[in-house]
Amino acid sequence: DGGITQSPKYLFRKEGQNVTLSCEQNLNHDAMYWYRQDPGQGLRLIYYSQIVNDFQKGDIAEGYSVSREKKESFPLTVTSAQKNPTAFYLCASSPPGRADTGELFFGEGSRLTVL
Amino acid sequence: QKEVEQDPGPLSVPEGAIVSLNCTYSNSAFQYFMWYRQYSRKGPELLMYTYSSGNKEDGRFTAQVDKSSKYISLFIRDSQPSDSATYLCAMNWGGGADGLTFGKGTHLIIQP
Repeated sequence: DGGITQSPKYLFRKEGQNVTLSCEQNLNHDAMYWYRQDPGQGLRLIYYSQIVNDFQKGDIAEGYSVSREKKESFPLTVTSAQKNPTAFYLCASSPPGRADTGELFFGEGSRLTVL
Repeated sequence: QKEVEQDPGPLSVPEGAIVSLNCTYSNSAFQYFMWYRQYSRKGPELLMYTYSSGNKEDGRFTAQVDKSSKYISLFIRDSQPSDSATYLCAMNWGGGADGLTFGKGTHLIIQP
């Protein structure tokens, strides 16, 4: 089955630690995205990538980093510089030719809790 | 300006009722309109997609866009308990991936 796999589903981190969230897709989509979801707030874009070896900052990129070395993979690192990292993180991809419209396929999400 | 307004609810209705979910927006450049459904602790899934004004129907779901009023709606007929979820509206002006703006979501509860 084609889809987007995020891991881990739940993650606990101590303050000051970096953590990396995995996102893998087998949909052959070029465009991939990372969103953050907080209670009472809409999804906010962290980073996105339209093509391998290229990525762009979204609205809330500070304290996060990404890489796009393979088409299938778009990992997100939450660094110690992120002041409020506890949130639900969602990875998404967009079919070819649909990146401009906003049709997204989402993974199941990763819930990060900072202790 | 990126602003989309959506009542967070919760909206609780009895099974079988017609549900109306709505969003308003301020950016007249938006032309792609979507509804996503998100079950608890899951990722959103695309439910309906509409380009520009008009209606679109898919089974029990109907999406309406009124660009003159900057108002979009999702109607659910014959609502089922399995429809209980958070519904997110989203819209884009079509200029790129960073142009997508989401509403905060409406939490819908269908009572058996």
